[in-house]
Amino acid sequence: DAGVIQSPRHEVTEMGQEVTLRCKPISGHDYLFWYRQTMMRGLELLIYFNNNVPIDDSGMPEDRFSAKMPNASFSTLKIQPSEPRDSAVYFCASSFFEPTMVVQYFGPGTRLLVL
Amino acid sequence: DAKTTQPNSMESNEEEPVHLPCNHSTISGTDYIHWYRQLPSQGPEYVIHGLTSNVNNRMASLAIAEDRKSSTLILHRATLRDAAVYYCILRVKGNTNAGKSTFGDGTTLTVKP
Repeated sequence: DAGVIQSPRHEVTEMGQEVTLRCKPISGHDYLFWYRQTMMRGLELLIYFNNNVPIDDSGMPEDRFSAKMPNASFSTLKIQPSEPRDSAVYFCASSFFEPTMVVQYFGPGTRLLVL
Repeated sequence: DAKTTQPNSMESNEEEPVHLPCNHSTISGTDYIHWYRQLPSQGPEYVIHGLTSNVNNRMASLAIAEDRKSSTLILHRATLRDAAVYYCILRVKGNTNAGKSTFGDGTTLTVKP
């Protein structure tokens, strides 16, 4: 398996622009997670899905952030409008629910810089 | 959620064993202890997990205290490639929200040649 795939790997944009980050989870996994990592706040969970349904979005910072999972093999995280404080590395992870443990497989991340 | 406490940083010499501690004094009976690591410029990767007994895999060993209030990740022979941030996380057995556990700040391991 190719692992979790994220695109783009790097994104530079200007304040006010819309940013769309993409994720393809590992085939067969029914959980998908979006994280954000910064030096100040570490690794934060933004939202996660189970069987394409958002389960918990309490980590989404504000209404400018939205996430969708239209099917089992694709998810997007959108920021509109973007702000410089959104600059971070965004990770997508997937897992399958197994009663005795939950192992997450992370993608390589998207490094976002908002100027 | 039960919390974990780890040292901010540790140093090791190459080819020597490394013991990374984690305290989790409020752990409950259904909490699994997971370790992940994050290499520079990469996403976190799973290392090992356990419940009560010590565990071994190809990457590392996990030693769990008898009272389960602490655990130690053991890298038997550190290499330069093991330099990373190591996260100790608690996850509840059979809980669909288990993947929501926070990662904390972790321990930054430096390996000296």
